[in-house]
Amino acid sequence: EAQVTQNPRYLITVTGKKLTVTCSQNMNHEYMSWYRQDPGLGLRQIYYSMNVEVTDKGDVPEGYKVSRKEKRNFPLILESPSPNQTSLYFCASSFSGSDEQYFGPGTRLTVT
Amino acid sequence: RKEVEQDPGPFNVPEGATVAFNCTYSNSASQSFFWYRQDCRKEPKLLMSVYSSGNEDGRFTAQLNRASQYISLLIRDSKLSDSATYLCVVRNSGYALNFGKGTSLLVTP
Repeated sequence: EAQVTQNPRYLITVTGKKLTVTCSQNMNHEYMSWYRQDPGLGLRQIYYSMNVEVTDKGDVPEGYKVSRKEKRNFPLILESPSPNQTSLYFCASSFSGSDEQYFGPGTRLTVT
Repeated sequence: RKEVEQDPGPFNVPEGATVAFNCTYSNSASQSFFWYRQDCRKEPKLLMSVYSSGNEDGRFTAQLNRASQYISLLIRDSKLSDSATYLCVVRNSGYALNFGKGTSLLVTP
């Protein structure tokens, strides 16, 4: 089944404790992206990647890192999480970036 | 000013009604336009792409007006299952996507 998977789906952590949210797609897509969704603010792009080893900042990259060492994986790293990073995070992928985006099921992160 | 603006609603309509959503975008160089649907904090899913000539998919019609920089979505004969948040999405010259905050639709019996 073609899909985008994210892990974990739910995470509660404390300020400053490094964490990684994994994202994997099995559709051989070149483009992958991370978004956060907050009430009243909608979906905002954090980082995106056009291909292996090619990443670029979105609208809200501060406090996040990404890497794209393999085509199928695009992990999101929070080196020192803070409470303002409490949010619902979505990973997405597509063939080219200009076509349909397939979203993962979301990761609900709470930083206390 | 946010790049993509939508009326947040909520739009409460009875079954069978026709409802229209509008979306405006600020970047005249925007190249691709989409409507996505999102159910209650689940992942967004593509509803339809929006082309300059307009396009229709069953009960759904999308239109693009480049001169006025707005996009519309028309839903005819609303069903209970159409209740969701509808996201207007615009891609500029690069590959970053800009999402509107979404318009909430509630279809009632």
